[in-house]
Amino acid sequence: QKEVEQDPGPLSVPEGAIVSLNCTYSNSAFQYFMWYRQYSRKGPELLMYTYSSGNKEDGRFTAQVDKSSKYISLFIRDSQPSDSATYLCAMSEDSNYQLIWGAGTKLIIKP
Amino acid sequence: DAGITQSPRHKVTETGTPVTLRCHQTENHRYMYWYRQDPGHGLRLIHYSYGVKDTDKGEVSDGYSVSRSKTEDFLLTLESATSSQTSVYFCATTQGGMNTEAFFGQGTRLTVV
Repeated sequence: QKEVEQDPGPLSVPEGAIVSLNCTYSNSAFQYFMWYRQYSRKGPELLMYTYSSGNKEDGRFTAQVDKSSKYISLFIRDSQPSDSATYLCAMSEDSNYQLIWGAGTKLIIKP
Repeated sequence: DAGITQSPRHKVTETGTPVTLRCHQTENHRYMYWYRQDPGHGLRLIHYSYGVKDTDKGEVSDGYSVSRSKTEDFLLTLESATSSQTSVYFCATTQGGMNTEAFFGQGTRLTVV
């Protein structure tokens, strides 16, 4: 079993829909949780960064961490075709431990 | 982009040959990383560096070596390329520790035939 599990998709939704992307993990020591967005043939770029539990909002994006369930989510409101990309979750225990990555979920927003 | 350049961007090589990939950064970030990305596996860390001449292994380091002689350059060498090393390779940097924001290069697509 992988430390971080992420459904690879693809997830296809119509423009304007609310999108929910999720990762589950097994290591209860993870404290730092990130979501990266990766466009085709590009490197990933950081979208959201959360420490410990709770919610964080940035524009149309909300990151949610539930440490008791070992589950993190990324919500995208009013989805746009430009949101079509692969979304990778990543997590770490602290600065001395490497990031552990999910396999990524491919998201397709249909106009 | 955060000033991270990978070269070459594409390479086809034969089994058994050595290959070197180069990562150059202009951000003066302390940490540099080499990842490989394969379908179904996400990003897997090969090696990383926490300073000039200071490197350590990641989870998939077998068959790879690295060197960092200057802050801005991090080289990845496949000592004797195998077909299982066909992948997309990404270089990344962080200013702080491994749990801080990572900045990625554009990737190198390597095919070993």
